[in-house]
Amino acid sequence: GAVVSQHPSRVICKSGTSVKIECRSLDFQATTMFWYRQFPKKSLMLMATSNEGSKATYEQGVEKDKFLINHASLTLSTLTVTSAHPEDSSFYICSARDLSLSVSSYNEQFFGPGTRLTVL
Amino acid sequence: SQQGEEDPQALSIQEGENATMNCSYKTSINNLQWYRQNSGRGLVHLILIRSNEREKHSGRLRVTLDTSKKSSSLLITASRAADTASYFCATLRRGANNLFFGTGTRLTVIP
Repeated sequence: GAVVSQHPSRVICKSGTSVKIECRSLDFQATTMFWYRQFPKKSLMLMATSNEGSKATYEQGVEKDKFLINHASLTLSTLTVTSAHPEDSSFYICSARDLSLSVSSYNEQFFGPGTRLTVL
Repeated sequence: SQQGEEDPQALSIQEGENATMNCSYKTSINNLQWYRQNSGRGLVHLILIRSNEREKHSGRLRVTLDTSKKSSSLLITASRAADTASYFCATLRRGANNLFFGTGTRLTVIP
């Protein structure tokens, strides 16, 4: 159980296009999903926290108009990189928190396999 | 900064040896978690230690937590070539919903 999928796993696009990345919790409901960005050989940097049915909360320095996040259901959140440029090339990882485990200090999160975005 | 610090940044050992990685953080936490990441892949959750725990074991993994020093260590005993990966600590801060990741240690186990 507790599987999170991401689609696509890898995407190459031209500069100026928009790319949508999906994050799905496959066997549990996730009120909260998190989006991270990881540069090569670097750590994960939290971009935004996505709550089902409400607007995402973005970390300082992350452009909300650039990285559009939608969390329309308890099993799906999407990240859209709008008007992508080469500097947006990165590894994007989502994680989801299990609703049934949310009321505790445990806060277990399950991570997706990541999406590698390359903008030419 | 979001990130905690991990050291060493890179570690290379022979198969069979033990590997120790350290993590320091800055704020009060609810728990600290260790993750593993193979190159270009997602994260695999290894072990979680709560703030009121001092040591935890899981198979060949041993994690310690010293909240007075705001530090944790991950020990992998009898390392295998398949343990080669990057290892990250992540903290759940009090009052927060998200994890804050350390800078990571790249472990290479030489067969």
